[in-house]
Amino acid sequence: DIQMTQSPSSLSASVGDRVTITCRASQGISNYLAWYQQKPGKVPKLLIYAASTLQSGVPSRFSGSGSGTDFTLTISSLQPEDVATYYCQHYNSAPQTFGQGTQVEIK
Amino acid sequence: EVQLVESGGGLVQPGGSLRLSCSASGFTFSSYAMHWVRQAPGKRLEYVSAINNNGGSTYNADSVRGRFTVSRDNSKNTLYLQMSSLRAEDTAVYYCVKARRIAVVRDAFDIWGQGTMVTVSS
Repeated sequence: DIQMTQSPSSLSASVGDRVTITCRASQGISNYLAWYQQKPGKVPKLLIYAASTLQSGVPSRFSGSGSGTDFTLTISSLQPEDVATYYCQHYNSAPQTFGQGTQVEIK
Repeated sequence: EVQLVESGGGLVQPGGSLRLSCSASGFTFSSYAMHWVRQAPGKRLEYVSAINNNGGSTYNADSVRGRFTVSRDNSKNTLYLQMSSLRAEDTAVYYCVKARRIAVVRDAFDIWGQGTMVTVSS
């Protein structure tokens, strides 16, 4: 199975800050990577697929990059409504494993 | 509106069985692969099972293989997860999710149900 490792596990940043979360796959997955946002007590929501394509309706302050084994989710200007746990997931092969999550808080 | 609604969760004793259902609406259910994802309290998302659009191909994660069976009834727009030999570590919220693209199994998940809680305890 492909293992997905996210860093950091948690972060605290100020409103307006640029936030970067990284995700590393244990083997190459091309661009078969998705990012999800899960707000406290809510259902996960797809933010980005194919490593860098923004899902319809997602604010443009979210962006993704990477290919192969190393990927990044960036929030260009952190907003209070972005408080959530963010998960990466590969879909290169079965099982489509998730990272352990990165909890984002407002400082 | 595209919607997935799970049902069937509850409290079950270790070794018991439970069947989860997921009713789909707002899209052509028979065109899309469907998956089950679970999340234990305070834990990460865990991939559980997949089924292709016509039900002819399924996949179960190692942690549930031989105990869980995923199936679908396209005439009823419903996805199922039959769970047996349940263990305490199966306690989680179970989400029904839709693959983003038509007829593609390995894909991002664009629609999630609200989840149904399964608690395995004596």
